[in-house]
Amino acid sequence: SAVISQKPSRDICQRGTSLTIQCQVDSQVTMMFWYRQQPGQSLTLIATANQGSEATYESGFVIDKFPISRPNLTFSTLTVSNMSPEDSSIYLCSVAATGTIAKNIQYFGAGTRLSVL
Amino acid sequence: AQSVTQLGSHVSVSEGALVLLRCNYSSSVPPYLFWYVQYPNQGLQLLLKYTSAATLVKGINGFEAEFKKSETSFHLTKPSAHMSDAAEYFCAVEAGAGSYQLTFGKGTKLSVIP
Repeated sequence: SAVISQKPSRDICQRGTSLTIQCQVDSQVTMMFWYRQQPGQSLTLIATANQGSEATYESGFVIDKFPISRPNLTFSTLTVSNMSPEDSSIYLCSVAATGTIAKNIQYFGAGTRLSVL
Repeated sequence: AQSVTQLGSHVSVSEGALVLLRCNYSSSVPPYLFWYVQYPNQGLQLLLKYTSAATLVKGINGFEAEFKKSETSFHLTKPSAHMSDAAEYFCAVEAGAGSYQLTFGKGTKLSVIP
């Protein structure tokens, strides 16, 4: 299994500012994902971030609002730009497991709890 | 397109009683199905997965789920609830084998009453 560290674990931010969330994995992985979990809601995929290519965004999410970097096989960042109270959510990163036995499994970080005032 | 419906946003059971968390899915392709558990202030942890092998899937912590194609269901069960099972449970479907794109249900919060 993969161990995923997310920073910060929580933050309170002012409207109009930006926050960058870091995701560090203890092993090299090709596929990383960013999800949003709004209060009382399920997880929604924001984008897929594969090393060496541009992130692929899901419908309703755009690069200008959620720019993603993936500089190497163990690290990624998600920035929430020009924040509004509607961006208050838990943001989680996940990685796709490799290997035959662990195929199709995603491992998740503990999430970043963001509150926007 | 895929979708997941979890019946009951909140389920309460007594310690030692049967746990049954319901999940129905829709998928345009043969689905891969998953149950994840989220403990407070933690990330999601995989309980079990169905990927077209045996229809009865056993997972960690005594949980199991049965894939029923005719009912488009993948309900999660555990014969005897433990206090440590109190958490939120998410059912998810993968958008095509190997895509890794998961669609999650809204979650069911399980409370265990001593």
